[in-house]
Amino acid sequence: DAKTTQPPSMDCAEGRAANLPCNHSTISGNEYVYWYRQIHSQGPQYIIHGLKNNETNEMASLIITEDRKSSTLILPHATLRDTAVYYCIVDSGYALNFGKGTSLLVTP
Amino acid sequence: GAVVSQHPSRVICKSGTSVKIECRSLDFQATTMFWYRQFPKKSLMLMATSNEGSKATYEQGVEKDKFLINHASLTLSTLTVTSAHPEDSSFYICSATLDRGGEQYFGPGTRLTVT
Repeated sequence: DAKTTQPPSMDCAEGRAANLPCNHSTISGNEYVYWYRQIHSQGPQYIIHGLKNNETNEMASLIITEDRKSSTLILPHATLRDTAVYYCIVDSGYALNFGKGTSLLVTP
Repeated sequence: GAVVSQHPSRVICKSGTSVKIECRSLDFQATTMFWYRQFPKKSLMLMATSNEGSKATYEQGVEKDKFLINHASLTLSTLTVTSAHPEDSSFYICSATLDRGGEQYFGPGTRLTVT
C-alpha cells in the first residue's frame, strides 16, 4: 500500500472549517483513499473514502486532486467533539496501514 | 453504520496468565476481521488478519503462539494473549469488514493491563 504523509497536528476554531491535508504521491490506480479518526481511548471511526472523484457525506467532504497524489478532508463546521487524531490511509483492499495521523484540536 | 463490539472493555491480569478478548460484528456477517494493537501515544499496528474458518495471517514480528486467534463464525473472532507479560499491556482493537476492499468497522477496544 502507498505511504501517506500528514502534518502531525493542526488547530481549528469551533464553527470554522477544518481542512486536513494528506499526501500520497505513490498511490496506484486501484487504491482508495480512506479517512478514519480516533478519539482518545476509543476505536477508530470511519469517516469517508474515495477513488478519484470528490466525495461528501454527512460527516465530511473529501477532495482528491486530479493526479490523485494528494487529498484534503474537510470538516465544514468543526465542533469540540471533532477533536481527534485523523488518519489518511491508502488502501488496496487489505488491512489498513495506520500512519501517525494528524492530531486535530478544535478550540472554543 | 455497522456495529462491532469487544469484550471485555478493560481487563487486568497477572503475569503468566492468559486473557481472551472477543470481537463480534453485531448486525452483519464479517468475512474478515483484523486485530490491531496500540501502545500509548502511538498509532495502531496490525497484528493479524482473520478469515472465518481458516488460520489467521500474522504480521511480521507477531508471535502466533502467543497471540492465538480463532475465527469460528462470521460474527465472532477471539484473540487470546497467552502467558501474558507486562510488555503485552496495550490497547487491543479489532475491526471487521463485509468484503475485501470495503470500509472497516472498528470495535471500541480492550485495554489490557498485565501486572
